[in-house]
Amino acid sequence: GQNIDQPTEMTATEGAIVQINCTYQTSGFNGLFWYQQHAGEAPTFLSYNVLDGLEEKGRFSSFLSRSKGYSYLLLKELQMKDSASYLCAVNSNSGYALNFGKGTSLLVTP
Amino acid sequence: DGGITQSPKYLFRKEGQNVTLSCEQNLNHDAMYWYRQDPGQGLRLIYYSQIVNDFQKGDIAEGYSVSREKKESFPLTVTSAQKNPTAFYLCASIEKGGYTEAFFGQGTRLTVV
Repeated sequence: GQNIDQPTEMTATEGAIVQINCTYQTSGFNGLFWYQQHAGEAPTFLSYNVLDGLEEKGRFSSFLSRSKGYSYLLLKELQMKDSASYLCAVNSNSGYALNFGKGTSLLVTP
Repeated sequence: DGGITQSPKYLFRKEGQNVTLSCEQNLNHDAMYWYRQDPGQGLRLIYYSQIVNDFQKGDIAEGYSVSREKKESFPLTVTSAQKNPTAFYLCASIEKGGYTEAFFGQGTRLTVV
């Protein structure tokens, strides 16, 4: 199996920047995904990293270090609607199993 | 429009009954997945399939069964052997190789009474 670890909860202020970390241990690696999920809804795709470095998409950026088994999701200019759960997922190249961490619940306060 | 469809959105069953959740995609994706999500928890992998007529167990396959007779369809049966079947079930699909995002269905909330 795989171990994918994320903080359980985070709180940040509207307009601020927040970084959500994810560490993983896998037998193979075929990419790391970040998803956003609002309560009772399906996850929506945010970003994908397969090579080391930073990927930027508007207010969201994601970083990967394969040697350290580490990724983070950076959210800038936080808005109230960013309150959601953020899921880190790793695609193992041993059969393309897509495994998720338990998710980080982010609360954005005024 | 291409997408992945799960049905129904809400499902109620009596304890001891088997129930089948539907998942259909018209994205021409090779790989399909079933996940279970409990309140406040992440997604746990039940089963996944890379090609037709082949599938692999995930972390929590006990009490569940699947089939993959067609590329477009990956139904999940929750059997009476599953001790705590009440949960939110999500189906996903991805292109072969996994280099792109996984697309999710809207989910099925199963309640067993």
